[in-house]
Amino acid sequence: GDSVTQMEGPVTLSEEAFLTINCTYTATGYPSLFWYVQYPGEGLQLLLKATKADDKGSNKGFEATYRKETTSFHLEKGSVQVSDSAVYFCALSDPSTGANSKLTFGKGITLSVRP
Amino acid sequence: KAGVTQTPRYLIKTRGQQVTLSCSPISGHRSVSWYQQTPGQGLQFLFEYFSETQRNKGNFPGRFSGRQFSNSRSEMNVSTLELGDSALYLCASSPGTGTGIETQYFGPGTRLLVL
Repeated sequence: GDSVTQMEGPVTLSEEAFLTINCTYTATGYPSLFWYVQYPGEGLQLLLKATKADDKGSNKGFEATYRKETTSFHLEKGSVQVSDSAVYFCALSDPSTGANSKLTFGKGITLSVRP
Repeated sequence: KAGVTQTPRYLIKTRGQQVTLSCSPISGHRSVSWYQQTPGQGLQFLFEYFSETQRNKGNFPGRFSGRQFSNSRSEMNVSTLELGDSALYLCASSPGTGTGIETQYFGPGTRLLVL
């Protein structure tokens, strides 16, 4: 079945540091890929998405490129801020399963940014 | 547009009781999905409803059920509660009418504690 693997956490960075969060996936078909963020006490917010190979999703300084050859969708940001402290989830939706609305999530990784 | 709303936000129940959670999707969205989030298992798909019919289902026991009303509002019911049902229950909505992958928009969640 489909699966998403995220790097182990937590991650602690200093403000203005470069961020990379690794995400790899296994899917039967050609999935769409997502990054969601969860701030303390809140639900999930869509951060960015990519729907086909070589697409780059971007939002709020975050970027991720859909790499079919390495089945990866790593999240990057050039300069993190304290306000980026949250839990980040990589997810996929695989149309070959017949469930267009079903998301398969990674375990999530907690990012803490210190001033 | 107003976002996805969930009620109640917090709930405490005892083992053996049943509970009903409510979700109101974004206006115009007809698909509602439910997810369970726990520290151990992460985010897991429960089921999806579209046009008052369950369209997809995850791997949860029959104690977990749901329904959708004609106005697209959805309820989730858990009967005979167990301690392991303690979790954050997230609802997500999407238009539901496309043939491709649709972005899911999440509510803030209902935190259920079973004692």
